[in-house]
Amino acid sequence: QQQVKQSPQSLIVQKGGISIINCAYENTAFDYFPWYQQFPGKGPALLIAIRPDVSEKKEGRFTISFNKSAKQFSLHIMDSQPGDSATYFCAARRRGNDYKLSFGAGTTVTVRA
Amino acid sequence: DAGVTQSPTHLIKTRGQQVTLRCSPISGHKSVSWYQQVLGQGPQFIFQYYEKEERGRGNFPDRFSARQFPNYSSELNVNALLLGDSALYLCASSPRMGLPNTGELFFGEGSRLTVL
Repeated sequence: QQQVKQSPQSLIVQKGGISIINCAYENTAFDYFPWYQQFPGKGPALLIAIRPDVSEKKEGRFTISFNKSAKQFSLHIMDSQPGDSATYFCAARRRGNDYKLSFGAGTTVTVRA
Repeated sequence: DAGVTQSPTHLIKTRGQQVTLRCSPISGHKSVSWYQQVLGQGPQFIFQYYEKEERGRGNFPDRFSARQFPNYSSELNVNALLLGDSALYLCASSPRMGLPNTGELFFGEGSRLTVL
């Protein structure tokens, strides 16, 4: 069973636009929420991460928004660039089980020039 | 600096065969995890090894096994291959058993297994 639900499956955005990817979870024992970026033929790489006691985290053009009460979090890619075209995965780590990440199904982002 | 290296990069097997995938972690990393990524899905946790001992196992059948060597490299073995085992197998390393506070796992590029 998928513990982290991710949407949309894919999205297309124009260069300079905003890409928004949403994730939701049920397990309140999750205590850490990273986002990974994966280019074709490559392994996933950590992009940005957040803890549930923080409502927002920004790193450059990438921002995570976290809504603990709704058990939802999202990734915003501002001023999207063609080089941002990749598959993005949200993930979650359960408190006390810190060797394992549960991943969402992924969102393929295509940025059109 | 070398990242996580995996071999082979691609392989084709037939149903019922056995496969061994190999992983070398980043130098100094003692923990190796294995994930299965089926096309169109996110990675699914299979195993974690730390200091040559299994520390965690995901919801996979006993046909899947792994081990870690004294140099911290690791092998993943899958017996009696099924069509559904076709996937990208990712190895990830981290410096210690638990995830670092950043939650960062360092992934290799994976081994693409096709079962015919």
